[in-house]
This record gives sequence, C-alpha cells and structure tokens, in this order.
Amino acid sequence: DVVLTQTPPTLSATIGQSVSISCRSSQSLLHSNGNTYLHWLLQRPGQSPQLLIYLVSRLESGVPNRFSGSGSGTDFTLKISGVEAEDLGVYYCVQGTHAPWTFGGGTKLELK
Amino acid sequence: QVQLKESGPGLVQPSQTLSLTCTVSGFSLTSYNVHWVRQPPGKGLEWMGRMRYNGDTSYNSALKSRLSISRDTSKNQVFLKMNSLQTDDTGTYYCTRDRAPGYFDYWGQGVMVTVSS
Repeated sequence: DVVLTQTPPTLSATIGQSVSISCRSSQSLLHSNGNTYLHWLLQRPGQSPQLLIYLVSRLESGVPNRFSGSGSGTDFTLKISGVEAEDLGVYYCVQGTHAPWTFGGGTKLELK
Repeated sequence: QVQLKESGPGLVQPSQTLSLTCTVSGFSLTSYNVHWVRQPPGKGLEWMGRMRYNGDTSYNSALKSRLSISRDTSKNQVFLKMNSLQTDDTGTYYCTRDRAPGYFDYWGQGVMVTVSS
C-alpha cells in the first residue's frame, strides 16, 4: 500500500502567519492517465472531514483562496497564506492513484 | 443538495457483526461511488471499501475477509457489514462520495461505534 508521510505532525501558528504542510508518498502518484490523484482535507474539531484541494492544486468550490496546493510525483505541499482561526484542526492528504486509497497521518494546526 | 447520513447501532459486542446504513440524497448511486472510511478515537482516517456506481465493490485488503458492502438503489442506501468485531474496531464510521479516485467531496456526519461487552 502507498504510505503518505505528513510533516510536521503538529504546527503552531499565529493568526495571519503563513504555514506549509508536506505530504510525501512512498510511490509516485502520477496515474497512467496523466492525473495525479492527491487531495487535501481539513477536519475541524468534532466535525467530519471536508475537501479543500483536489488533484494537487485545484481549489474546491467555496474554499478560501488562502489555501493552495502544489507538488508532483511523490512530494506535495499545502500552504495556508495567512492562517485564520477557522483553519484550526487536522489536515490530511489522501491519494487515489493506487488502490487501496490511503491517507496521511495528519497534521494538527494549533494556535500559538 | 447532496447529503449522506450514516445510521446504525452505537454499541456492538465483541465477536458480533456491525451493520451500518448510509442514506444519500441529492445524487444517484448509479452515477457516483460511495466509500466507507473509519477513524479510531483520536487517530487518523482509514479507507475501508467502496461501492462503485455500477455495483462493483472493492475492499481494503486488511478488512476484506470481514467486510461486505452492498446497496439498494431504490432506497438510495449503501450498507456496510463487518463481522468478528474487536475492540480496535471502535471508532467513527463515515460514508463519503467521490468524484474521482480519492476526491471525497461530500461526507456524512459519521456514526460512533463502540465495541464493548
């Protein structure tokens, strides 16, 4: 199975600070059809996960544009340009290129 | 609007079978795949299995021997059955829809399942 390793496991930030989360895959996530099925989710405390970014860098409808995604192959990054209080929670990367779909271990974003 | 809602017992005894239902609205089960994902308390997410739009299923190999996913399209429901439950099966179980592999765009609220005698 593909292993997704997220770093850091915990991130402390102040409001307005820009932060980045890394997601590294044990295999290339480039599918034979040319798509890279790497996506990002946010799970706020006590809530279900919600989609932020799909296909590496595409912003899901309704998600603020302070969120951005980048990367290719095995290395991917989620960036938040100016953290707001509502951004606190656990961020997960998820891959769908290789079955079974797998999730990263999560990065918890806390207020400093 | 698109909605998914899980239902099922909150408490299951060890060695028994878990039965959960995901009731969907706002989309057709014959057009979208529905997955089950679980989360042990305080831990990360684990993909369990999928009901494809065409009725095919696929499972996490770690759970395959215990897991079965089915559906009733007339009732807009997807079912999960998992047998031989143990305490480490305790957690929140979610159903979620995908628009592409791993692209989980809508999630249910989740149902908390505790395995305990």
